[in-house]
Amino acid sequence: SQTIHQWPATLVQPVGSPLSLECTVEGTSNPNLYWYRQAAGRGLQLLFYSVGIGQISSEVPQNLSASRPQDRQFILSSKKLLLSDSGFYLCAWRGTGYYEQYFGPGTRLTVT
Amino acid sequence: GDSVTQMEGPVTLSEEAFLTINCTYTATGYPSLFWYVQYPGEGLQLLLKATKADDKGSNKGFEATYRKETTSFHLEKGSVQVSDSAVYFCALGLINQGGKLIFGQGTELSVKP
Repeated sequence: SQTIHQWPATLVQPVGSPLSLECTVEGTSNPNLYWYRQAAGRGLQLLFYSVGIGQISSEVPQNLSASRPQDRQFILSSKKLLLSDSGFYLCAWRGTGYYEQYFGPGTRLTVT
Repeated sequence: GDSVTQMEGPVTLSEEAFLTINCTYTATGYPSLFWYVQYPGEGLQLLLKATKADDKGSNKGFEATYRKETTSFHLEKGSVQVSDSAVYFCALGLINQGGKLIFGQGTELSVKP
C-alpha cells in the first residue's frame, strides 16, 4: 500500500532563517506531487505541483520554492522566512489515472 | 475562475441528527468533486468522490451527488455521531491542470452527545 511521509512534524524558525520541508511517498511510481499551505487552520492554498522529476509548477508567487530531486521526493524550501510563512504545510500525491489526492500528516511551521 | 463555495460554519448538531453541508462550484471544464475531512492537528482524509455528473459518492454513512445542473455537491449524513466532529472540505479537481485541487473554506462540524 502507499504511504506518504512528511518531516519535520513541527518546526519553529526565526524570521530570516532558511527552510527545508521534505515529503516522500512509498509504494507508487511517478506520482503527481503537491504542496499546500493551510493558514489559520482552515482553507488550503495550492503552492506547487509536480508531474515528474525536475518539473515544478508554481501556483502563487511566494517566498518559497519547490524541488523534486527524485521520483517520490518533494521538497519545499525558502532562503529567508517571513512571519507570513507560518502555517500548516501539507504534501499530497496522486497516482496516474486517479482523480483523488492523498495527504500527508503535515508540518506545522511557526516563524517567530 | 474555478472556485468552490461552502456553507459557513460552525455547524453544531446533536448526536443522531441529520447533516447537510452545502457546496457549490464554478468550473470551466468538467471537474471531479471531493469531500475531505480534517481532524484536529491532522492532515486531510478523503471522505468520498464523484468523477462525473450524477455520480453519487458514499462512505461511512456520508453521501454526496454530483449535480451538474445546479453545480452542487452537498454532503449529507442521516445520523451523525460525536466522532464525526471535524472540519469538512469540499474540493474540485482539474485533471487537465495537473490534477490540482481547489478547496472551499471548510465547514467545522461539532456534534454534541
